[in-house]
Amino acid sequence: GAGVSQSPRYKVAKRGQDVALRCDPISGHVSLFWYQQALGQGPEFLTYFQNEAQLDKSGLPSDRFFAERPEGSVSTLKIQRTQQEDSAVYLCASSLARTSGRGNTGELFFGEGSRLTVL
Amino acid sequence: LAKTTQPISMDSYEGQEVNITCSHNNIATNDYITWYQQFPSQGPRFIIQGYKTKVTNEVASLFIPADRKSSTLSLPRVSLSDTAVYYCLVGERNTGGFKTIFGAGTRLFVKA
Repeated sequence: GAGVSQSPRYKVAKRGQDVALRCDPISGHVSLFWYQQALGQGPEFLTYFQNEAQLDKSGLPSDRFFAERPEGSVSTLKIQRTQQEDSAVYLCASSLARTSGRGNTGELFFGEGSRLTVL
Repeated sequence: LAKTTQPISMDSYEGQEVNITCSHNNIATNDYITWYQQFPSQGPRFIIQGYKTKVTNEVASLFIPADRKSSTLSLPRVSLSDTAVYYCLVGERNTGGFKTIFGAGTRLFVKA
């Protein structure tokens, strides 16, 4: 597609429910990132994929958070047993570059995000 | 970890040049400096990236001194539509992957 697509744009969940957030990166982009952005804050890194390999998941806040990218394209961020503190915008970004190289970030292309509200 | 420090907010008027400075004292040799812009309800958008000296594109200029411990994003002749949050990032290498760290950003308000 023309850009990074995320769905759903808005999700309201009751505390304790599981949610799944989807990201369709730009076709051919090798790198995929997930970020969490609380209101008024900058995006916080969650996890990074290079193709289907999850190379860094150090930002996932708890074992309730799980991300996958099984075929190296579409990615899903799953949050189990949601809590109120999980309420945030979840941003997905993709990049053409393999970023485990020289330190050049490469340009990140972000989706519009999925806003999760946990009641 | 290479962290960045930016002013929390800045005000400007239409037509003025705006300079936003970012400090990154612990920048590593292979790190690049990247700036992003974010409007409400949208994801961040790449503005410019540099390693040293000066980089210019159709949107902005990026000035990086020789010690690379800071950088300045320069927006010429801002308009109301430049009101946004601007993030300074320093590329960081992590074992087995790559972590891109966003700070809190600078909220720029452009007034008529």
